[in-house]
Amino acid sequence: AAGVIQSPRHLIKEKRETATLKCYPIPRHDTVYWYQQGPGQDPQFLISFYEKMQSDKGSIPDRFSAQQFSDYHSELNMSSLELGDSALYFCASSLAGQGAAEAFFGQGTRLTVV
Amino acid sequence: KQEVTQIPAALSVPEGENLVLNCSFTDSAIYNLQWFRQDPGKGLTSLLLIQSSQREQTSGRLNASLDKSSGRSTLYIAASQPGDSATYLCAAASGGSYIPTFGRGTSLIVHP
Repeated sequence: AAGVIQSPRHLIKEKRETATLKCYPIPRHDTVYWYQQGPGQDPQFLISFYEKMQSDKGSIPDRFSAQQFSDYHSELNMSSLELGDSALYFCASSLAGQGAAEAFFGQGTRLTVV
Repeated sequence: KQEVTQIPAALSVPEGENLVLNCSFTDSAIYNLQWFRQDPGKGLTSLLLIQSSQREQTSGRLNASLDKSSGRSTLYIAASQPGDSATYLCAAASGGSYIPTFGRGTSLIVHP
């Protein structure tokens, strides 16, 4: 069965650079979530989209933005990168529109800022 | 705002033991609760999902229970094996977007 696909799997950037992370949800899933997991931390919710519209916002820095496209894939854009942005970034998708469905997580993108 | 706590933070047991991991949440108006496994530096593998209307779910040696009224869930692992060594996270889905809120996890080591 198709899973949530994230790309790239690993990314190394320098401070003040920009990064774009991509997420391809499970086909027909209507909701996408983005999370950030720092070293030794729990995943923190950043932002979510339902049917291509932003639905909720968590602890997403102003330097970050995200969108969901017509084909339902989502991108997290990160600018003016800081050392503290080094983390594992997860994308998840679900059929939330059908009520409390299971969230399926991708394998994550490991971002290292040097 | 939903807050999720997991106890203990770390656990080290000999192979073969039965063990219980605890998860508590502050907002009982959850839609579901998921348990995940995470190996070091790796992604999240979903183990069990309990809908708010359910009391428990079982998969192999794993059994998860949910008590919404007390804001608690437990993950029971029977006959633990070294391959079970990992971090176990619970996530409670709440809010309009059913956003999963995670606990910090229980780091489990099962030694031979």
